Amino acid sequence: NAGVTQTPKFQVLKTGQSMTLQCAQDMNHEYMSWYRQDPGMGLRLIHYSVGAGITDQGEVPNGYNVSRSTTEDFPLRLLSAAPSQTSVYFCASSYGTGGGYTFGSGTRLTVV
Amino acid sequence: AQKVTQAQTEISVVEKEDVTLDCVYETRDTTYYLFWYKQPPSGELVFLIRRNSFDEQNEISGRYSWNFQKSTSSFNFTITASQVVDSAVYFCALRTSSASKIIFGSGTRLSIRP
Repeated sequence: NAGVTQTPKFQVLKTGQSMTLQCAQDMNHEYMSWYRQDPGMGLRLIHYSVGAGITDQGEVPNGYNVSRSTTEDFPLRLLSAAPSQTSVYFCASSYGTGGGYTFGSGTRLTVV
Repeated sequence: AQKVTQAQTEISVVEKEDVTLDCVYETRDTTYYLFWYKQPPSGELVFLIRRNSFDEQNEISGRYSWNFQKSTSSFNFTITASQVVDSAVYFCALRTSSASKIIFGSGTRLSIRP
């Protein structure tokens, strides 16, 4: 059972480049979310989804897009990378409204 | 609005000491869930405990215990006889039944010195 799989684990981008962070879960979880983690700021919610075809914005959505075409996949797109998007990104999934999250192992992104 | 406050940014104690990590939350919902996660130096996020708003019983798991008090909107975490392996960042989190997302506190970095 793989849980939540994030790829890539590390990425360096140049300012202005675009890319997609991949997230897949095999637990048939309805809820999926993307967080970014910056030093001293904890985990901040970027976007989340309550099921296939449904997404919504979190606290810090600017500069990011998501889609949820299947239950399993929830990719995060950086449209035009900026140094301020240098961070560690975590994808997470859960069952129901009361479930805790299972997290992926994270993607460390550096924008130069 | 939901909010989770972890006022202790960093704590450092000597091994075998007891340590309590504070968590204060805000929500207007009557049904909600509280969580603690551990992030060791390796970086992964590890689920520790989930508590719902209707269950104020304290919980003990080995050296870990949790004290949930609705009257003070707190969900504190105590490690008894701390060990070096407990060194990590600990996050408290809140999820309400009306929201489809989990909000995290800013975390407490715990260092256990040998």
